[in-house]
Amino acid sequence: AQKVTQAQTEISVVEKEDVTLDCVYETRDTTYYLFWYKQPPSGELVFLIRRNSFDEQNEISGRYSWNFQKSTSSFNFTITASQVVDSAVYFCALSEAREYGNKLVFGAGTILRVKS
Amino acid sequence: GAGVSQTPSNKVTEKGKYVELRCDPISGHTALYWYRQSLGQGPEFLIYFQGTGAADDSGLPNDRFFAVRPEGSVSTLKIQRTERGDSAVYLCASSPSGRETQYFGPGTRLLVL
Repeated sequence: AQKVTQAQTEISVVEKEDVTLDCVYETRDTTYYLFWYKQPPSGELVFLIRRNSFDEQNEISGRYSWNFQKSTSSFNFTITASQVVDSAVYFCALSEAREYGNKLVFGAGTILRVKS
Repeated sequence: GAGVSQTPSNKVTEKGKYVELRCDPISGHTALYWYRQSLGQGPEFLIYFQGTGAADDSGLPNDRFFAVRPEGSVSTLKIQRTERGDSAVYLCASSPSGRETQYFGPGTRLLVL
């Protein structure tokens, strides 16, 4: 069975600090996808990134970066120079990489509070 | 283009009543998913449609829950004899086929009194 663990329930930082959100996953599949979604106070899940299990290259998008390490089954997310608008709940998720119907298994989420 | 839309945004009902929640996916997306998110938790998968058919309903908690997608576009999640434990946010997502990234709607917040 697939499982995603986000051990950090809540993190508080001051604006401009860097912050890393941890994600550890379990799966028996050799091919799978990993995701990060952001859920701001409005409630809508916003897609941030999808990573194929074959691609272990780290990715950077503006202030966001992701570190994927298969050896430790981790897919961590770092926000550089955090801003108040980054305050949200962040979810890590995992899916199989089937042809159809890749249902997502989510972690419990990490609440990020960025204070000015 | 328009994203996934869900109606109503909020629904309050009494225990034992029947409710219908609607999802309008992104135009052209053949895959549609329903998830349920309880307070303080991550979303949990309920059911997946590929076109008109429910290809995977393994996440439906019991037979009070049912979903349809008769024309391969709009989907309706139906809950019979609601219970207080059904209170949650019901999220809908769609993707171009079954393999691509899922894009979520704003959810329907259901409260069963």
